[in-house]
Amino acid sequence: KAGVTQTPRYLIKTRGQQVTLSCSPISGHRSVSWYQQTPGQGLQFLFEYFSETQRNKGNFPGRFSGRQFSNSRSEMNVSTLELGDSALYLCASRLRDSTTYEQYFGPGTRLTVT
Amino acid sequence: LAKTTQPISMDSYEGQEVNITCSHNNIATNDYITWYQQFPSQGPRFIIQGYKTKVTNEVASLFIPADRKSSTLSLPRVSLSDTAVYYCLVGSGNTPLVFGKGTRLSVIA
Repeated sequence: KAGVTQTPRYLIKTRGQQVTLSCSPISGHRSVSWYQQTPGQGLQFLFEYFSETQRNKGNFPGRFSGRQFSNSRSEMNVSTLELGDSALYLCASRLRDSTTYEQYFGPGTRLTVT
Repeated sequence: LAKTTQPISMDSYEGQEVNITCSHNNIATNDYITWYQQFPSQGPRFIIQGYKTKVTNEVASLFIPADRKSSTLSLPRVSLSDTAVYYCLVGSGNTPLVFGKGTRLSVIA
C-alpha cells in the first residue's frame, strides 16, 4: 500500500508570495491533517480535514488555509508569506474512527521563505 | 485535549532497555495513549497505542497502570538507530493529534 505523498518536497519562496502544498493520503484514509514543524516551536497542528470538511483547527492566522477534495487529497495554502513561515510542513492521514489514533505521516515539504 | 508531560531528554547505552514515562493526569475515559518516533527531517512514525494494561508489538511495549494517569514506553535493547525524539499523545479517534515537545533519546555506543 502506498504511503502518504507530499509535493513538492522542497520550495523556496519570497516574502509576500503565496504557496500551495499538496498531500495525497493513503488509499482509504479520509482524514488529512497538516502540521508545521520548526526548531523553536516543534510540531504544531494546523488543521484537519475529513470528508472535505475542516473538522479541527489549530492556532494559526488566517493566512493558513486548506481544503480537501472528494478523493481525499488535500492542499494547504499560505498567503502573504513571512520569514517565520519557513518550516517543514507535514501531512498525515488516518482512518479516523473512534478506536484508533494511528496516523501516517508523509515525508514533508521543506519551505524556505527569503 | 489532555496534556502530557515527559522528560525532555534521556541518554542510554546500546543494548540497554529504555523506559520513557509520560504523565497525563487529565486523560478522558475514551482517550487512547499513543507513542510516536521521529527522526530528523522526517515525519513522526507510529510506534504503539494502548488503552489500559500492557500492549506489546515487535518494536516496543507500553505499560499503562489502572488509573491511566501515566504510561511508560519500553524499548528493549536499544541501538544507535533508536536515537530519535519520542512523543506521547493522548486523545480519541475524533480529536486532532497534538504533539508536545517529546523526549529526545540519545543512544551511546
